[in-house]
Amino acid sequence: GAGVSQSPSNKVTEKGKDVELRCDPISGHTALYWYRQSLGQGLEFLIYFQGNSAPDKSGLPSDRFSAERTGGSVSTLTIQRTQQEDSAVYLCASSFREGRDGYTFGSGTRLTVV
Amino acid sequence: AQSVTQLDSQVPVFEEAPVELRCNYSSSVSVYLFWYVQYPNQGLQLLLKYLSGSTLVESINGFEAEFNKSQTSFHLRKPSVHISDTAEYFCGRGSTLGRLYFGRGTQLTVWP
Repeated sequence: GAGVSQSPSNKVTEKGKDVELRCDPISGHTALYWYRQSLGQGLEFLIYFQGNSAPDKSGLPSDRFSAERTGGSVSTLTIQRTQQEDSAVYLCASSFREGRDGYTFGSGTRLTVV
Repeated sequence: AQSVTQLDSQVPVFEEAPVELRCNYSSSVSVYLFWYVQYPNQGLQLLLKYLSGSTLVESINGFEAEFNKSQTSFHLRKPSVHISDTAEYFCGRGSTLGRLYFGRGTQLTVWP
């Protein structure tokens, strides 16, 4: 597609429920990133996929968070047993050639845990 | 550790004044540097990037940034800001290893 597409744009969930956030990167982009943006916290790295390599999961805050990327394209970020502190905007970005041409961000999913 | 430091979390300026948003990065053999802008309630947009070559890079809306290898800096400047420049600015770095690192952001507020 023309840009990075994220869905849903907004998600309200009850504490303890599981949620899935989707990212559809730009076609041909081999690298895909997930970030979390909380109020006043900047951009927190979560996970990074590059081609067929094992993902860099070093930023995942707990084992409640997981992500996968199927077929080198679409990625799903799953948060199990959501907590109120998970409320944030979850951003996805993709890039080509290790980002030499820049990273394109999606509009994000605003997650609110009530 | 690889990191990006944005030295100012808030920068208030008056319209038409010059501004500099500071960014320092940890040294690496090969590094790509970026500035992203996030306007209120919008996503991140690439403002400018440094890959190699000329150390001064410019954006279409009057911002420029200078890559300084000896000082490991990539400060963003604009000689005369507008109210519409009010936004949050993020400095980022990538590398041939692929992972993208960001600073914590600088909120630029332009007052009339």
